[in-house]
Amino acid sequence: GAVVSQHPSWVICKSGTSVKIECRSLDFQATTMFWYRQFPKQSLMLMATSNEGSKATYEQGVEKDKFLINHASLTLSTLTVTSAHPEDSSFYICSAWTGDQPQHFGDGTRLSIL
Amino acid sequence: KQEVTQIPAALSVPEGENLVLNCSFTDSAIYNLQWFRQDPGKGLTSLLLIQSSQREQTSGRLNASLDKSSGRSTLYIAASQPGDSATYLCAVPISGGYNKLIFGAGTRLAVHP
Repeated sequence: GAVVSQHPSWVICKSGTSVKIECRSLDFQATTMFWYRQFPKQSLMLMATSNEGSKATYEQGVEKDKFLINHASLTLSTLTVTSAHPEDSSFYICSAWTGDQPQHFGDGTRLSIL
Repeated sequence: KQEVTQIPAALSVPEGENLVLNCSFTDSAIYNLQWFRQDPGKGLTSLLLIQSSQREQTSGRLNASLDKSSGRSTLYIAASQPGDSATYLCAVPISGGYNKLIFGAGTRLAVHP
């Protein structure tokens, strides 16, 4: 149980493109979903927190207009990287939280912007 | 502000050795501490969760201890195997928080036959 599916697992696209990443909790309802970013050989950094039906809250230094988060249901959150540039290339990981620990993590999405 | 440090950054050992990975955090007022495993290019697998009221947790060959007062946790891996090769991350909630996690940079472990 407690499976989080993240899609796509890998995406390569041209600079200026917008990319959408989905995070789904398959067998449970998530009160909250978190989005993390991980640069090579660095640790995970929390980008934003999304709660179903309300606006996401972003961590300091994360551009909310660049990284659009939608949490339309208790099982789905999406992260859209708008007008992506090479510096946005990273590994993005979501996690889903039921209100009880621990968080359940997806397998991540590797984003490469050419 | 909570900060998490992991030592060593990398470790290479022969199979069968017992290992200790270290994690330290600056704000001792934590609700819990978690240890995760991350394989290359993959997401995170939760290994052990220690509540603030607990001193240690065990799962198979893994044992994690927590000393809140000193801001330290250790992950002990007994009889290491090549399949244990991965990056091990520890994480604690942000200062004053419960569900937002702050991660250490991890220890990259390589166990060779």
